[in-house]
Amino acid sequence: ELKVEQNPLFLSMQEGKNYTIYCNYSTTSDRLYWYRQDPGKSLESLFVLLSNGAVKQEGRLMASLDTKARLSTLHITAAVHDLSATYFCAVDISSSGKLTFGQGTILTVHP
Amino acid sequence: DAGVIQSPRHEVTEMGQEVTLRCKPISGHDYLFWYRQTMMRGLELLIYFNNNVPIDDSGMPEDRFSAKMPNASFSTLKIQPSEPRDSAVYFCASSQGHWTQYFGPGTRLLVL
Repeated sequence: ELKVEQNPLFLSMQEGKNYTIYCNYSTTSDRLYWYRQDPGKSLESLFVLLSNGAVKQEGRLMASLDTKARLSTLHITAAVHDLSATYFCAVDISSSGKLTFGQGTILTVHP
Repeated sequence: DAGVIQSPRHEVTEMGQEVTLRCKPISGHDYLFWYRQTMMRGLELLIYFNNNVPIDDSGMPEDRFSAKMPNASFSTLKIQPSEPRDSAVYFCASSQGHWTQYFGPGTRLLVL
């Protein structure tokens, strides 16, 4: 059974600081997604990572994938309050379209 | 495009009643997914369809849950009879092929 684990589950950051969220998964996969969810809202797609070494960047967020280590990271640079949300990674094994989600990381950015 | 549309957005019902959740996927998308989100269990995939055909329903919790997709633009998730433990947010998502899934706004279900 595929397991997807995020670390940390709760992250309180000061504005302007950098931090990384980690996503480990237990079965080989070449496709990993990152989503954002604001409180009481739906999930918004951030990134899709398709191969080993893939790196995607959007604004203050950068995601990477290491398929050999079964690890993806979401790096936050110079955090701002608007980044406060829950971030999920999701793994698609066998490129089937069936996603298994991590537990989510609740990020709070404060002054 | 209007995105994935779900109705109702909120539903409050009493235990034992039938609940029907509705979803309209993004036009042109051939995959449709139903998820349930709770604090205890996180996001769980319940069932998904490809070209209106159910592909994997292994996440459906029990026989009280059923899902249909009669055509490419409409799907339902039905709970009969409902129980308090079914209280959750139910999301519908759609995708084109095995690519990024786009989520609807969700239905917040409370079973009393």
